[in-house]
Amino acid sequence: QKEVEQNSGPLSVPEGAIASLNCTYSDRGSQSFFWYRQYSGKSPELIMSIYSNGDKEDGRFTAQLNKASQYVSLLIRDSQPSDSATYLCAVISTGGFKTIFGAGTRLFVKA
Amino acid sequence: SQTIHQWPATLVQPVGSPLSLECTVEGTSNPNLYWYRQAAGRGLQLLFYSVGIGQISSEVPQNLSASRPQDRQFILSSKKLLLSDSGFYLCAWSGEESQPQHFGDGTRLSIL
Repeated sequence: QKEVEQNSGPLSVPEGAIASLNCTYSDRGSQSFFWYRQYSGKSPELIMSIYSNGDKEDGRFTAQLNKASQYVSLLIRDSQPSDSATYLCAVISTGGFKTIFGAGTRLFVKA
Repeated sequence: SQTIHQWPATLVQPVGSPLSLECTVEGTSNPNLYWYRQAAGRGLQLLFYSVGIGQISSEVPQNLSASRPQDRQFILSSKKLLLSDSGFYLCAWSGEESQPQHFGDGTRLSIL
């Protein structure tokens, strides 16, 4: 059974701080990794994709991938109250198109 | 650019009534299509996926069915709704292998 694990939270950080969201996956053959943001009552929105080991930065967001440790993370710098949402980690295995989603981590950014 | 349309946004149905939710994608050909359900405060549950017209794979046995009558149209149906069918239904599409999925706005279904 291929799994993606996330701490459900809630993770609470003050405005302006760095929020660190973590995810582990069980299938060592996984090749594609994504982070989605889901506001309450809304559908998930893709915010980051990462395919190779290392860091990928996009604005205030940085995705980090370590395939040896089967670990992917999302850093949000200068967190804003508008970043308060549930963040879903998602993984696609080798040769696949089905995505395995984690249950999500709830993030609260306090003003 | 690609867009995905899903309707209705909200639906209230009595137990035992039929259901039809529709999803269409624009701006791409031969997308992979998906139906998910999300219970309140829970994760995404994959219900069906399709890699082409008439090709449907079911992930969870239940009283729901899916059809893909056209390349960019995906329909979720039920002949008789149960109370447990309540939830947030999401349609998604993806392109080539290993590419991310993109979601529609969802349908919030309440069963009375």
